[in-house]
Amino acid sequence: NAGVTQTPKFRILKIGQSMTLQCTQDMNHNYMYWYRQDPGMGLKLIYYSVGAGITDKGEVPNGYNVSRSTTEDFPLRLELAAPSQTSVYFCASSTGGKGGYTFGSGTRLTVV
Amino acid sequence: TQLLEQSPQFLSIQEGENLTVYCNSSSVFSSLQWYRQEPGEGPVLLVTVVTGGEVKKLKRLTFQFGDARKDSSLHITAAQPGDTGLYLCAGARESGGSNYKLTFGKGTLLTVNP
Repeated sequence: NAGVTQTPKFRILKIGQSMTLQCTQDMNHNYMYWYRQDPGMGLKLIYYSVGAGITDKGEVPNGYNVSRSTTEDFPLRLELAAPSQTSVYFCASSTGGKGGYTFGSGTRLTVV
Repeated sequence: TQLLEQSPQFLSIQEGENLTVYCNSSSVFSSLQWYRQEPGEGPVLLVTVVTGGEVKKLKRLTFQFGDARKDSSLHITAAQPGDTGLYLCAGARESGGSNYKLTFGKGTLLTVNP
């Protein structure tokens, strides 16, 4: 089983460019999440979705957008990249119960 | 406001030693989870504790949920280099009956030297 798959693994963007981080899961989980992880700062929730067609903001949504057209896919869009968006991004999914999250392996993004 | 405080932030020990890391909060959680993250990878779930006072064991790892469900600890016996990683605690607070949104601590970075 693939679990949660994120692409790309690494990316360098110039200031002002845009990109989409892809995330797909094959576990039929209703709940999906995007986090960013900065050194010493833990995981910060950017956006989450409780099912296809439904998304909501997390702690740090500014500068990002998401969509959830299918159960499997939850892409994260960065518009007008800024150096403050340099981070490692993790996508995760869950059943919504107490079973925990399944994380992807992350995308390391550098904005220069 | 950091809801979950983890301590210590860094821990470097020798193989064979015992250690305990802590996860504390002033808030009550319906459940608490521990994850381990290795470099270049996403966090992997180790355990979920849901009942105040609950103790769970996973080989050399012992997890405890505080009686008031505000804190948790992770104890590792006879640490091995393979235990090296970032240990994250995460708490779920009930929202409309669903425990679907986790709050993560900043983590404890453990290094076990051979």
